Amino acid sequence: EVQLVESGGGLVQPGRSLRLSCAASGFNLGGYTMHWVRQAPGKGLEWVSGISWNSGDIGYADSVKGRFTISRDNAKNSLYLQMNSLRTDDTALYYCAKAPQWLGGFDIWGQGTMVTVSS
Amino acid sequence: EIVLTQSPGTLSLSPGERATLSCRASQSVRSNYLAWYQQKPGQAPRLLIYGASTRATGIPDRFSGSGSGTDFTLTISRLEPEDFAVYYCQQYGSSPRTFGGGTKVEIK
Repeated sequence: EVQLVESGGGLVQPGRSLRLSCAASGFNLGGYTMHWVRQAPGKGLEWVSGISWNSGDIGYADSVKGRFTISRDNAKNSLYLQMNSLRTDDTALYYCAKAPQWLGGFDIWGQGTMVTVSS
Repeated sequence: EIVLTQSPGTLSLSPGERATLSCRASQSVRSNYLAWYQQKPGQAPRLLIYGASTRATGIPDRFSGSGSGTDFTLTISRLEPEDFAVYYCQQYGSSPRTFGGGTKVEIK
């Protein structure tokens, strides 16, 4: 079964860091573009970051640029999001999602991991 | 950044009725790289349509997408009980990728 499973979320104080992981199963993550999308409680979807299969293309939303870093380890079939200088408005459910190519819709989604930034 | 505006915010319809959802872009979407997603409470989004009009794998043919440039439409020909959900459009032709604010389709 094709599946994405996120982990690493939790409660963190403002200004601290957190690293999210996304593990793929049932397919070779190395062949695809991957993204992080977040959803604040009761709100809509917000694209956070994306990375092409070979890390040659990387993009960030303005709201996280300079604070978040996306990376991948194709050998481990995993995607990561390093989140630094966290703010209260980063509180959200973070999804990882797969796309067939850099310019592609997001065809497989994980169930998300919750990040709560609060003092 | 391309801003996507979805309308209406909420659509109240009965099962069997036709639903028409609109997504308007602040500038032309490159090569019609426009997708539609369905999200039910407590679930991750599901891809319905990509390339403005191509149904994703396993999506019933009552869902159809149309449009080009800056104006796009998702049509559900006859609403089934499982279709009541929130629908988002997304452009993926330029960075940053952006989503619309969503349209909630609720049971009347």
